Amino acid sequence: AQSVTQLGSHVSVSEGALVLLRCNYSSSVPPYLFWYVQYPNQGLQLLLKYTTGATLVKGINGFEAEFKKSETSFHLTKPSAHMSDAAEYFCAVSFSGGYNKLIFGAGTRLAVHP
Amino acid sequence: EAEVAQSPRYKITEKSQAVAFWCDPISGHATLYWYRQILGQGPELLVQFQDESVVDDSQLPKDRFSAERLKGVDSTLKIQPAELGDSAMYLCASSFAGTSTDTQYFGPGTRLTVL
Repeated sequence: AQSVTQLGSHVSVSEGALVLLRCNYSSSVPPYLFWYVQYPNQGLQLLLKYTTGATLVKGINGFEAEFKKSETSFHLTKPSAHMSDAAEYFCAVSFSGGYNKLIFGAGTRLAVHP
Repeated sequence: EAEVAQSPRYKITEKSQAVAFWCDPISGHATLYWYRQILGQGPELLVQFQDESVVDDSQLPKDRFSAERLKGVDSTLKIQPAELGDSAMYLCASSFAGTSTDTQYFGPGTRLTVL
C-alpha cells in the first residue's frame, strides 16, 4: 500500500537557521511528489512539486526539495528560516494512471524562534 | 488571482443534526475534491468529481455523507446525521484536468464542530 511518512510532527528552528523537513514514501510505482504549506485557519498552498526531470525542485518562498529514488525521500529545505515560515507542512504523493488522488503525510509543524 | 471559495467557514452543530458545506471551484477547473482533515492529521480524500461525475468516493461514509456537483461547477457536501467523530476541517480543492501531475488548489476550509 502507498503511504507517506513525515518524520517529526514538530520542528523548531531559530530565525536564519536551516530548515529541514523530512518526507519518505512507500510505493511500488514511481510517485509524483508534492509539498504543501498550511497557515492557521487556511487551506493548503502548493510549495513545489516533482513530476519528471530534474530531481532538485525549487519552489516558492525560497524552499526546495530533492527527490532521491534510492532513499524513497523528498525532503524539504530552506537555507535560512524566516518568522513567516512558521506553519504546518504536508508532503503528498500521487501516481500515474489514477485520477490525481493525493495521499498526504500527517504533517510537520514548523516553529521559528527569534 | 482566482481562488476556491467555501462556506461557511465555521459550523457548530449538535449530533444527529444535518449539515451542508458549499464549494465553488476555480472557474474552468473540471476536477473537484472534498477532503476531511482531522486535527493533527493530513487531509484524506472523501470524494472526487470529474465534471459532474463521481470518480472516487471509496472513503466516503455513504450511510451519512453525500456529495453532488449537479452542473459540474459548484458542489455541496452533506452530513446527515452528524456524529461527534465528524468534527474536522472539510477542505475543497479543484484542479484543471485531474491528472496525476495537476496542482490542486485548496479553499480555506469549513471547520465543523459537532457537540
